[in-house]
Amino acid sequence: DVKVTQSSRYLVKRTGEKVFLECVQDMDHENMFWYRQDPGLGLRLIYFSYDVKMKEKGDIPEGYSVSREKKERFSLILESASTNQTSMYLCASSSNLGVQGYEQYFGPGTRLTVT
Amino acid sequence: QKEVEQNSGPLSVPEGAIASLNCTYSDRVSQSFFWYRQYSGKSPELIMSIYSNGDKEDGRFTAQLNKASQYVSLLIRDSQPSDSATYLCAVKTGGFKTIFGAGTRLFVKA
Repeated sequence: DVKVTQSSRYLVKRTGEKVFLECVQDMDHENMFWYRQDPGLGLRLIYFSYDVKMKEKGDIPEGYSVSREKKERFSLILESASTNQTSMYLCASSSNLGVQGYEQYFGPGTRLTVT
Repeated sequence: QKEVEQNSGPLSVPEGAIASLNCTYSDRVSQSFFWYRQYSGKSPELIMSIYSNGDKEDGRFTAQLNKASQYVSLLIRDSQPSDSATYLCAVKTGGFKTIFGAGTRLFVKA
């Protein structure tokens, strides 16, 4: 079974703090994604990566950056947390290969509150 | 703007009935289609993938795809209270991105 883990289930940070969210997958997937999910707005893509050290902006990259130094690990960084970044953050991974390519598997999520 | 549209619901069905969830998408070149189930407070869980026109069955779930009409559906037979969740339709567009619908909330009444 694919396993995607995230570093924290719940996180409370103060405005202006630098926040790191980490995601690790154990299925050797090429692609990794960071989403945020807010009531009424659905899943919104922040950044994705299709290879080590490669990254692409999603639909709402402002205020975020990412790092992918190893294939299994994809980090989301909030450079200076703001209250409007309070949200559920979801990491996902997928492969490019075969008939099951591009099926995304999600981690348990991190509920971030910025006060 | 590529879009995936779902009725937000809630869709309420009695236990044992068939629940029918629908989704339309705008990008004609889309090739891969997915249904996810998301329980309240949890992350989305993949339940079905479909890649070609027609029906695909997996247990009580049947996914249906009609590319000409740009329409994907999910049927849940013999619905159970444990099926109560939000169901997300997702469509892979060109490149690496997948577009998710906002989801349909399903309630199965015991």
